[in-house]
Amino acid sequence: AQSVTQPDIHITVSEGASLELRCNYSYGATPYLFWYVQSPGQGLQLLLKYFSGDTLVQGIKGFEAEFKRSQSSFNLRKPSVHWSDAAEYFCAVGGYGGATNKLIFGTGTLLAVQP
Amino acid sequence: KAGVTQTPRYLIKTRGQQVTLSCSPISGHRSVSWYQQTPGQGLQFLFEYFSETQRNKGNFPGRFSGRQFSNSRSEMNVSTLELGDSALYLCASSLGDRLSYEQYFGPGTRLTVT
Repeated sequence: AQSVTQPDIHITVSEGASLELRCNYSYGATPYLFWYVQSPGQGLQLLLKYFSGDTLVQGIKGFEAEFKRSQSSFNLRKPSVHWSDAAEYFCAVGGYGGATNKLIFGTGTLLAVQP
Repeated sequence: KAGVTQTPRYLIKTRGQQVTLSCSPISGHRSVSWYQQTPGQGLQFLFEYFSETQRNKGNFPGRFSGRQFSNSRSEMNVSTLELGDSALYLCASSLGDRLSYEQYFGPGTRLTVT
């Protein structure tokens, strides 16, 4: 069965520092991969997605992610974190069995930003 | 373009009651999916409706049901509420065709069961 692992439950970075959030997936075919962000009391906002093609994808708010098939990873990066980036980040995989809109989510990584 | 809207935003119910939540997708979107978010289980897929038909279903008991109307608005219903049903219920809309896998989420309905 497909699954998504986000090994870091909580990460704290200083404002201006770089960020990398890890995501590993288990999936038998080419996955559809997503990163979402959730601010407290809010729904999920799509940051970026990977379906095929270039393995380095750019998203909103200065985020990017790189798909590495050999490592079954889709890590999220940002070169310089802003205080407003503090939120919870979810990696998700979809497309299993042709169910394009059935997303399997990781457990999330809570990002804190120190001034 | 207006985003996904969910009503009500907050709800308090008593164990044993039933509840109906509503979701209005982005204009032109034909697919609506529902997710349950809890601290213990995280985000879990409930079901997806496309063109008034349930297209995919997660692993939830039959107490959880849904429907979609001709204007793509969707409702989900939970009968015989249990304390464990307390959660944030999120709906997401998408175009629904095979070439579009982007889902846009609403703000959610916070359900508290006492």
